[in-house]
This record gives sequence, structure tokens and C-alpha cells, in this order.
Amino acid sequence: AQSVTQLDSHVSVSEGTPVLLRCNYSSSYSPSLFWYVQHPNKGLQLLLKYTSAATLVKGINGFEAEFKKSETSFHLTKPSAHMSDAAEYFCVVITYRNNNDMRFGAGTRLTVKP
Amino acid sequence: NAGVTQTPKFQVLKTGQSMTLQCAQDMNHEYMSWYRQDPGMGLRLIHYSVGAGITDQGEVPNGYNVSRSTTEDFPLRLLSAAPSQTSVYFCASSYGGVGGANVLTFGAGSRLTVL
Repeated sequence: AQSVTQLDSHVSVSEGTPVLLRCNYSSSYSPSLFWYVQHPNKGLQLLLKYTSAATLVKGINGFEAEFKKSETSFHLTKPSAHMSDAAEYFCVVITYRNNNDMRFGAGTRLTVKP
Repeated sequence: NAGVTQTPKFQVLKTGQSMTLQCAQDMNHEYMSWYRQDPGMGLRLIHYSVGAGITDQGEVPNGYNVSRSTTEDFPLRLLSAAPSQTSVYFCASSYGGVGGANVLTFGAGSRLTVL
């Protein structure tokens, strides 16, 4: 079975400081991993995805994530937080065994303080 | 604007009532799906479709029906609403599924309350 665990339900940072949102996954097969962002009262938007190419993935708005197979992790980072980054972030896994079944983490709410 | 349109945005039902959440996309996407979002649980897949006439169950299909008679539309039916179905529902679509180079486009969501 595949699953995703987001280690923090809420992260608070000050504007201009680094962001780290943690995600661990479990999968019996080679996974594809995604980060989605949801701004208040909006649908979800893809930030970035890993599909077995380069392990360091760059996404939109300065975010990036590194796939570490040995640690089964896919943490999301950004060097400098902006007020507009305040949102809910979801880590998502799919495996090629069932290519249309995405499993979402519970989400991490990011707060950015001025 | 091209995208995924969900209606209604808000709905209040009484236990036992039925209703349909509508989802339409104008991007000629083959894959469409429905998720529910509950606090602390992320999004969970209810049903999905890989093309007109083809549907399949996701993680939490009980209490919901779907059909896909056209490429554009993928309605979600609640046959007899229960308070446990109080949630925010999202429809999403993509050109060819969720793997590889495909990217899901999400609707803005439908908030359903069952009393």
C-alpha cells in the first residue's frame, strides 16, 4: 500500500526566512511524488513533481523538493518566504501499479508572519 | 476561461435527500476525478473516469455514484445524504491520467453540509 505522511500540520515562519515542509512516503513500487498548494477558498495548484528523473526538483514560485529514496522523503523548501506563500500544502504520491490513484497527505498549513 | 467548473459552490441538505454535484471541463481532458477534503485528512479520491463511458472507484466510493456520458461532464450523485458526507468536494481533470507528464487541473470546490 502507498501512503504519505506530512510531519507537521502547521508551520509558521517569518517573511524572508527559509521554509521547510516535511513529507515522508511509503510505497512498494517506484513512486511519483507531487506537491500541491491550496490558497484559501481555492482549488489546488501543482507546485512541482518528481517522476524518476532528477532527484532535485524545481517548481513554481521558488519552491523546490528533493527526492531521497534512502530516507523515503520528499521535503519541500524555499530559501525565503513571502507573504503570498501562506497557504495549505499537500504532498501526494502515486505508484505505477495503479497509475490513477493519487494519495494525499493530510496537509501542512504555512503561516508567514511579517 | 478554460478550466474546471463546479456547481453549486455551496449546498445544504437534510439527511436522506439526494443531489448532484456538477463538474464540467472544456479542455478535452480524458481523465476526470472527484475528491473530498476533510480537516486533517487531505483529499481522498471518490471516483474517477479515464474517458466517456468508463468509471472506477477510488478510496472512498460508498454513498456516491458517477457516470461519464460525455468527455466534458462528470457529475457526482449523492443518493441519500448522510452527515458523514459533509465535506468540501473537488473535481479535477487531466489530459491522460495522473502519472507521467500529466497535470491535474482542479475546480474551485463545492462545500456541502448535511444536517
